[in-house]
Amino acid sequence: GESVGLHLPTLSVQEGDNSIINCAYSNSASDYFIWYKQESGKGPQFIIDIRSNMDKRQGQRVTVLLNKTVKHLSLQIAATQPGDSAVYFCAEALSGTPLVFGKGTRLSVIA
Amino acid sequence: NAGVTQTPKFQVLKTGQSMTLQCAQDMNHNSMYWYRQDPGMGLRLIYYSASEGTTDKGEVPNGYNVSRLNKREFSLRLESAAPSQTSVYFCASIRQGLAQDTQYFGPGTRLTVL
Repeated sequence: GESVGLHLPTLSVQEGDNSIINCAYSNSASDYFIWYKQESGKGPQFIIDIRSNMDKRQGQRVTVLLNKTVKHLSLQIAATQPGDSAVYFCAEALSGTPLVFGKGTRLSVIA
Repeated sequence: NAGVTQTPKFQVLKTGQSMTLQCAQDMNHNSMYWYRQDPGMGLRLIYYSASEGTTDKGEVPNGYNVSRLNKREFSLRLESAAPSQTSVYFCASIRQGLAQDTQYFGPGTRLTVL
């Protein structure tokens, strides 16, 4: 079985409800942020990104919010579905440097 | 267009054995990366290649070597495997340099070192 994801914080959400996954990033100089979704046995998959000159960006059913004052990033998923069950990672980068990934949050959707 | 491919998918080694993990991308991306993923640790960068002909150390390079064989291929070698290298290894690529752009990940190689 998949060993990745043990010891991760877990968020349990009822199907149809909205989910909010939070991330505290470390480098106040970071100017690019990404959210990835990782399903069991697969590689991370891009969800949405945001640059530091923005504080909100919307995609299909997802919204990313950036609060640079407190170095906080959040991912909101509207009308959560069973297929949203996965581990979600935030990542940050400063121009010219590789992404640095957070430890991840497991989202469990209750049908 | 297969994206990023990795071989093998699974591997079991004994301590001290060597092996090479292969990665290839068909998106004409300039930059490629190797990460390891351990429980509760997220993804940690081992090595990266910002462009063909260059390689740089990441956060956890000890015990590994890499080769950027050409623009498509970036291999990761374990010369003398140790149990601490038991992990899931992901290769990724990005369109250009270290520009702020989406990284595409391969499916991973699950390595166990006994």
